[in-house]
Amino acid sequence: AQSVTQLGSHVSVSEGALVLLRCNYSSSVPPYLFWYVQYPNQGLQLLLKYTSAATLVKGINGFEAEFKKSETSFHLTKPSAHMSDAAEYFCAVSGAPSRGKLQFGAGTQVVVTP
Amino acid sequence: EAQVTQNPRYLITVTGKKLTVTCSQNMNHEYMSWYRQDPGLGLRQIYYSMNVEVTDKGDVPEGYKVSRKEKRNFPLILESPSPNQTSLYFCASSLRPAPNEKLFFGSGTQLSVL
Repeated sequence: AQSVTQLGSHVSVSEGALVLLRCNYSSSVPPYLFWYVQYPNQGLQLLLKYTSAATLVKGINGFEAEFKKSETSFHLTKPSAHMSDAAEYFCAVSGAPSRGKLQFGAGTQVVVTP
Repeated sequence: EAQVTQNPRYLITVTGKKLTVTCSQNMNHEYMSWYRQDPGLGLRQIYYSMNVEVTDKGDVPEGYKVSRKEKRNFPLILESPSPNQTSLYFCASSLRPAPNEKLFFGSGTQLSVL
């Protein structure tokens, strides 16, 4: 069985400050890990994914995430927040033999203040 | 343009009145899935389909039906909607039913059951 815990349902950051969103996972098989972003009134879009190639994964819009097996974590960061980063972010986990099924976290709402 | 199209975008109905939410993708994807999104719970999978005529239950299938008669379409049917099915629904698809595949999401259907 797989599950994801996102720490913090709401995060407020100042424009230009570091964005850090925390995700811890539980998986009985080697995991595939994802971060998706949901902008207001839109569907989810893939930000980045970890598939065991490299532990530091770079995604779109300046985001990156680091896979730490010892900590069972996959935290998402961006060095400098932009107003356009205001959205809800979801961490998700998958793994064989789930064959396409993603287990999503509860989501973290990011607010960016000027 | 490659996309997943859901209709309708908004739907208000009354308890017990059968409804169908349509989902169509133009990317020749094998895998399609339905999720519901509720505050604080993230996205939970309702049903999924590995290919034409192959469907299976997700985590919260009660009260829902699906069918996959054509590769591009995957409608979600609520035979007798109840207020606890008020939610935001997303259809998603991926090229293959594999754990490391990127999901493409529709824009969502906001359903209110009175």
